[in-house]
Amino acid sequence: DGGITQSPKYLFRKEGQNVTLSCEQNLNHDAMYWYRQDPGQGLRLIYYSQIVNDFQKGDIAEGYSVSREKKESFPLTVTSAQKNPTAFYLCASSIDIDQPQHFGDGTRLSIL
Amino acid sequence: KNEVEQSPQNLTAQEGEFITINCSYSVGISALHWLQQHPGGGIVSLFMLSSGKKKHGRLIATINIQEKHSSLHITASHPRDSAVYICAVRWGSNQFYFGTGTSLTVIP
Repeated sequence: DGGITQSPKYLFRKEGQNVTLSCEQNLNHDAMYWYRQDPGQGLRLIYYSQIVNDFQKGDIAEGYSVSREKKESFPLTVTSAQKNPTAFYLCASSIDIDQPQHFGDGTRLSIL
Repeated sequence: KNEVEQSPQNLTAQEGEFITINCSYSVGISALHWLQQHPGGGIVSLFMLSSGKKKHGRLIATINIQEKHSSLHITASHPRDSAVYICAVRWGSNQFYFGTGTSLTVIP
C-alpha cells in the first residue's frame, strides 16, 4: 500500500539536544512538507521541498533543518536553537505543489 | 491577523442534519484545501479547489473567488463525521496559510 510514514509517533528530547523526525513516502511524490501544529493554532509550514536536493523555508524555519537527498525521504531535525519545540509535527507529500497533499500520522515531540 | 478565518469554531449537530462550515481568506490564492483531522491527529485531504464546486459522497465544497469565501457542506451527517475540519490556502508559490479548524461533533 502506498502511503506516508512518520516515525516515531512520540518523541522526547532533553533540552540542548538535536532530534531528527523521520518522514518517508512511497507515493512517488515530488513535493514534501513539514508542518507544526500547536494547540489552538492552525498548521504552520516549517520547510517544503518541491524536488530532490532542493528545499525552501516556510514561515517558521528558525531552529529547524531538513535534507532531501532521496525522493522518498524528507527528515526534519529540531535543533537546540528551537526554543519551544514541544508540538505536533506533521509531514505531507503531493505529486507537485499544485496537487492535494497526503499527510502522515504525525510525531508528538515533548521536552523532558 | 489571520489570513484564514473559519466559522464556527465549534459545532454540535444531531445525526442527519445538514452542516455548513465556512472559510474566509484575505489574500489572492492559487488553491484552497479542505482537510479533515481525526482525534488521533491524522489528517486527510478532502478537497482542493480553485473555482466552482466539488462533490465527494456526502461532502460538497464550494468556493467564491470574488468574495474570498469557501464553504464545506456535509449532508446527512453521521457520528463518524466528527472531526476537526481545516481550511487551508496556498498563496503565490510558497505561502501556505491554515485556519485553526472547526471542531464538529455529530450526536447519534
